[in-house]
Amino acid sequence: SQKIEQNSEALNIQEGKTATLTCNYTNYSPAYLQWYRQDPGRGPVFLLLIRENEKEKRKERLKVTFDTTLKQSLFHITASQPADSATYLCALDGRSQAGTALIFGKGTTLSVSS
Amino acid sequence: GAVVSQHPSWVICKSGTSVKIECRSLDFQATTMFWYRQFPKQSLMLMATSNEGSKATYEQGVEKDKFLINHASLTLSTLTVTSAHPEDSSFYICSADQGAGGQPQHFGDGTRLSIL
Repeated sequence: SQKIEQNSEALNIQEGKTATLTCNYTNYSPAYLQWYRQDPGRGPVFLLLIRENEKEKRKERLKVTFDTTLKQSLFHITASQPADSATYLCALDGRSQAGTALIFGKGTTLSVSS
Repeated sequence: GAVVSQHPSWVICKSGTSVKIECRSLDFQATTMFWYRQFPKQSLMLMATSNEGSKATYEQGVEKDKFLINHASLTLSTLTVTSAHPEDSSFYICSADQGAGGQPQHFGDGTRLSIL
C-alpha cells in the first residue's frame, strides 16, 4: 500500500541547534516533494519544493534533500529559533480520483526551547 | 504572494444543520481547488478536487451527497456539509494552485466545524 511516513511525531531541540525532519514514502513515484509549515488552527504554508532530479534545495535557514533511491526527503532547519516551533508536513504528488493531488504525511511537531 | 481566503473560520451548530464553507482565491484565478479534512494529529486527507464549471471529483469513501462542492467561478469554491452530524466535526481546509503542475499549493486558514 502507499504510505508517507514522517518518522517522528514530535521533535524537541534547543535553540541554535539544527532540526532534521525525515519523510519516507512507499509505493509512490513522485515528480516532486514539498514541505509545509502548519501552526495550530491554521492552514499549511508552503516552504520548499524539490523535484525528482534535484538533490538539494536551500532557502535561508532551510534545506531539503531528496533521495529517490532511498525514497526519502530530509528537511533541515539550521540555527533553530523558538519561532520555528510548529508542525512540518511533507507532501508529494500522488494519484487522486481526478488525476494527481498533493498527498500529505502526518507531520512532525517541532518544539524549539530557548 | 497568492492568497486564499476561507470563511468562516469557526462554526458551531446543531446536528442536522447544513453548513456552507467558502474558499476564495484573492489575487489569482484558480482553475482547480482542493478540499481537505484534518482530524487532530492526523494528516490532511483529500476529500475532493473541484474544477471551475464542472462537477467535483470525490475521493473514495467521501459521500458526494453529504459534501456538496460548487466551483462556480475561477475565484470561488464552496463546500456545503449537508445535514451535519457530530462525526462530521473536523477541520476543513481548501487549497488552490495557479494551474501549472508541480507548483506550491496555497491554503486557506481552515474552518473548524463542531456539530453538537
